[in-house]
Amino acid sequence: GNSVTQMEGPVTLSEEAFLTINCTYTATGYPSLFWYVQYPGEGLQLLLKATKADDKGSNKGFEATYRKETTSFHLEKGSVQVSDSAVYFCAAFPMDSNYQLIWGAGTKLIIKP
Amino acid sequence: NAGVTQTPKFQVLKTGQSMTLQCAQDMNHNSMYWYRQDPGMGLRLIYYSASEGTTDKGEVPNGYNVSRLNKREFSLRLESAAPSQTSVYFCASSEGQSSNEKLFFGSGTQLSVL
Repeated sequence: GNSVTQMEGPVTLSEEAFLTINCTYTATGYPSLFWYVQYPGEGLQLLLKATKADDKGSNKGFEATYRKETTSFHLEKGSVQVSDSAVYFCAAFPMDSNYQLIWGAGTKLIIKP
Repeated sequence: NAGVTQTPKFQVLKTGQSMTLQCAQDMNHNSMYWYRQDPGMGLRLIYYSASEGTTDKGEVPNGYNVSRLNKREFSLRLESAAPSQTSVYFCASSEGQSSNEKLFFGSGTQLSVL
């Protein structure tokens, strides 16, 4: 069946460190892929998306590249800030989906000054 | 621009009690969704409504009912709450008729069932 797997958290980094949050998927065909972010006390917000192989989504200094060969969509940022502390969710919309996004479990990111 | 508004933010129920979670969006979106979020798990879809007047079951519909009252409002009802329904509930909306596009989320309802 369809699934999305994210690295377990929490991930704790110092300010200005390089960030990678791993995400891999199992899904029918070539799904659209998403990263959503949830700041403390808020609902989720779309961070970036990619709809086909080799697409790179980017926003707010974050990037993720759709890798068909490794079925991955890892989130990266070159220099994190304290304000990036949040929970990050990877999600996939499979081609055989009936309105349903498939969500990863979320990865909590903690950035220390 | 309020976006998606959910009420209440917090609720404590006793087993067997009923309640309705309210959700409204002011973006003229066609689709609305109810999700639950549990620790260590991704969001799970409870029900969705692709357009006014239609509702469909998601992944975990048991124990819940929904009403798409009009294009703006989509409510979630627990008829007889159970401890297994302790969770954080999110309402979301999207412009089209699919979640394969940007979802806009409310800030959530934290529900505890004792």
